[in-house]
Amino acid sequence: GAVVSQHPSWVICKSGTSVKIECRSLDFQATTMFWYRQFPKQSLMLMATSNEGSKATYEQGVEKDKFLINHASLTLSTLTVTSAHPEDSSFYICSANSAGTGFSNQPQHFGDGTRLSIL
Amino acid sequence: GQQVMQIPQYQHVQEGEDFTTYCNSSTTLSNIQWYKQRPGGHPVFLIQLVKSGEVKKQKRLTFQFGEAKKNSSLHITATQTTDVGTYFCAGRNNAGNMLTFGGGTRLMVKP
Repeated sequence: GAVVSQHPSWVICKSGTSVKIECRSLDFQATTMFWYRQFPKQSLMLMATSNEGSKATYEQGVEKDKFLINHASLTLSTLTVTSAHPEDSSFYICSANSAGTGFSNQPQHFGDGTRLSIL
Repeated sequence: GQQVMQIPQYQHVQEGEDFTTYCNSSTTLSNIQWYKQRPGGHPVFLIQLVKSGEVKKQKRLTFQFGEAKKNSSLHITATQTTDVGTYFCAGRNNAGNMLTFGGGTRLMVKP
């Protein structure tokens, strides 16, 4: 079945550091991937839709200069949290559907997520 | 915008008891998906419902989609400790371009 790989799984770093998170579709191509943020015991909040070869679409309230998204190939999207601060600490998770597009009814396959802790 | 509400937020049950979580959308949905997230894990797709009034079963899990395609439920019969986790519904709008997750219901099962 469709597999989405996310790396790293856990990051602890100092305030002011920029952190890059990778999301890969391992056995299918994805023109669209999604980035979510999840606080403890809360739901998934969509941050942005990553589009291969074009700019990401950010949800209202998400700073595009803070959360840089690059979708340079059909199997890789990256999220960079720039100049991270303690309030950016969260669980970041990416997903893609097996059709690889943003409009498919296919189920979402999630990466394992990245726990980001900013000291 | 589209809102998807899910209740209850938390549920503690004794092993063997039944459990139900309810999902309500502010708008008519194209389809609804259900996911399970184990503690410390990532959401895993369970099922998708598309048709009005649809009912699907997976062993002890029964999923229903309302006639108006605005609500859905997940019922677990005779819960087991392996059912522990957070269950999310996710509704797709009719335009097909938005998948909105409910707040999730966290199920805890006492052995």
